[in-house]
Amino acid sequence: DTGVSQDPRHKITKRGQNVTFRCDPISEHNRLYWYRQTLGQGPEFLTYFQNEAQLEKSRLLSDRFSAERPKGSFSTLEIQRTEQGDSAMYLCASSLYQGSVGNIQYFGAGTRLSVL
Amino acid sequence: DQQVKQNSPSLSVQEGRISILNCDYTNSMFDYFLWYKKYPAEGPTFLISISSIKDKNEDGRFTVFLNKSAKHLSLHIVPSQPGDSAVYFCAASERIQGAQKLVFGQGTRLTINP
Repeated sequence: DTGVSQDPRHKITKRGQNVTFRCDPISEHNRLYWYRQTLGQGPEFLTYFQNEAQLEKSRLLSDRFSAERPKGSFSTLEIQRTEQGDSAMYLCASSLYQGSVGNIQYFGAGTRLSVL
Repeated sequence: DQQVKQNSPSLSVQEGRISILNCDYTNSMFDYFLWYKKYPAEGPTFLISISSIKDKNEDGRFTVFLNKSAKHLSLHIVPSQPGDSAVYFCAASERIQGAQKLVFGQGTRLTINP
């Protein structure tokens, strides 16, 4: 196992279409996170799963966004009725609690979404 | 409001010299601080972290210093190498249910000149 995998790497869509991204975490990691990064900014937290349970959601995650992690393995992030403002890099990260070293999160390469 | 700030968008350093990247934060509840490095077309890669109860952590060429009273941390890279050229993100860890979410700064692009 080599790390967090995200698919697709790039997605171009028209405004109003639905898109779905997939994240495969590091196999033994039970925590999975989604972040969004726009140009010139650092990643911003969107949501978090512990196993299959979605335990935290950011106010950034509007009703058009939904995330799932069935069976606590891979996760999907769906955006419905995309808007141009959704154009960003969507990053997935996973972690395994490591006590004193503070829960290091390991990131995938991201999915770059462009909404035309 | 920006809870984690990296005020220098870019930094240029000569190979072999010391690179110092700075980060300021506002939330005193952050319990860990991390530095990530990012190359183009890749995700952020963990570099080094420090607990809020410590003031220094060292790993090879990388040292992170934390000044809690000033709410300031810095990353020192010495000696700097061309492969260190990347965007560096400072991140602060905030507890959420059963885990921690990261709050990132805007990043500093480091260029190491031969």
